[in-house]
Amino acid sequence: AQKITQTQPGMFVQEKEAVTLDCTYDTSDPSYGLFWYKQPSSGEMIFLIYQGSYDQQNATEGRYSLNFQKARKSANLVISASQLGDSAMYFCAMKTGANNLFFGTGTRLTVIP
Amino acid sequence: GAVVSQHPSRVICKSGTSVKIECRSLDFQATTMFWYRQFPKQSLMLMATSNEGSKATYEQGVEKDKFLINHASLTLSTLTVTSAHPEDSSFYICSARRTGIDSPLHFGNGTRLTVT
Repeated sequence: AQKITQTQPGMFVQEKEAVTLDCTYDTSDPSYGLFWYKQPSSGEMIFLIYQGSYDQQNATEGRYSLNFQKARKSANLVISASQLGDSAMYFCAMKTGANNLFFGTGTRLTVIP
Repeated sequence: GAVVSQHPSRVICKSGTSVKIECRSLDFQATTMFWYRQFPKQSLMLMATSNEGSKATYEQGVEKDKFLINHASLTLSTLTVTSAHPEDSSFYICSARRTGIDSPLHFGNGTRLTVT
């Protein structure tokens, strides 16, 4: 069965510092994709970054990077140079053979001025 | 970029009435759309997968007669909460994906349903 685990219900980070949000996953499917989404208080879900299971390099998108450690089945999100606008819920998600996504329980990030 | 529009953003209805929520993909065709429900401080739970031109696939534990899904076109899926009760009050969010296995899902802004 597929499973996504985010063990940090809440995180705090000082503005301009980097922060790592943890995500581990479990699947027996050799082909899968890992996603990170940001959900601000408005409720919308914003796609941040994607990592395919066969990708050789860690994905990066601007200030977001994904620390993909396949053997450990982890896909941590690193946000560099945190900004106040980064305060939000962050969800890790995994897609396997089916069309849908399995979400983690989320991490609430608060950026402190 | 891709945009998914969800309407209404907020709705308050009386117990026993039905509420329809629309999800539109604005600049791409989405053969598959997904409906999620989010409880306070909890993750998104997939309710059903909506396929254009065919019946929706519901997740275990989701009442298909209560949450009617219609995907009549490649750009529109609707979720109707029938005979709503206070326990149906929640945040409902839809998503859609462009064609392509690695395309990310794009989410609507969600609908806050309050049943009084």
